[in-house]
Amino acid sequence: KNQVEQSPQSLIILEGKNCTLQCNYTVSPFSNLRWYKQDTGRGPVSLTIMTFSENTKSNGRYTATLDADTKQSSLHITASQLSDSASYICVVSANNNAGNMLTFGGGTRLMVKP
Amino acid sequence: DGGITQSPKYLFRKEGQNVTLSCEQNLNHDAMYWYRQDPGQGLRLIYYSQIVNDFQKGDIAEGYSVSREKKESFPLTVTSAQKNPTAFYLCASSMGAFRDSQSRTFGSGTRLTVV
Repeated sequence: KNQVEQSPQSLIILEGKNCTLQCNYTVSPFSNLRWYKQDTGRGPVSLTIMTFSENTKSNGRYTATLDADTKQSSLHITASQLSDSASYICVVSANNNAGNMLTFGGGTRLMVKP
Repeated sequence: DGGITQSPKYLFRKEGQNVTLSCEQNLNHDAMYWYRQDPGQGLRLIYYSQIVNDFQKGDIAEGYSVSREKKESFPLTVTSAQKNPTAFYLCASSMGAFRDSQSRTFGSGTRLTVV
């Protein structure tokens, strides 16, 4: 069964600090992995996409890494801001005969405090 | 501005009542999806549609129904058969068909509560 596990479930940090969110998956055959940011009461917005051959990708203060061998990804947030407070969702895509299947993680809820 | 509009933002349903959630997109996307989000859980696919007048069940379709009479619109009806409908419902779309690995564009969601 395809699964995506995220940790921690929730995290509180002080403004200006860095943090790293983890995503472990057992999705096969792997196609790509996306990180989404979801503000409270809003829909998720894509931050970055990682394909099999990519190890790291940055989007401003967000840096995602992917280790396809260990099936792990991380999202590192640098110099956090109050606006980073949100849920971060890891989504892994598998391509099989049935089509492009997405498996969503449960998310990490990040709170940045002043 | 192009995007997906979901309405209403909040919806209250009485026991035994059917309610319909609206989803409209002006992105000219072919594929549209409905997801359910419960606290601490990943999004689960309810229904999806690749083209007009065609739709397929997702992982948790029981108690829900959809229609796709227009490319822009994909309304979701939560029927009385859905025993635990309280959740946050997200509509999404993507440019290609379901088989593409295109990013989903999400609406702002509808929070449904049973009273």
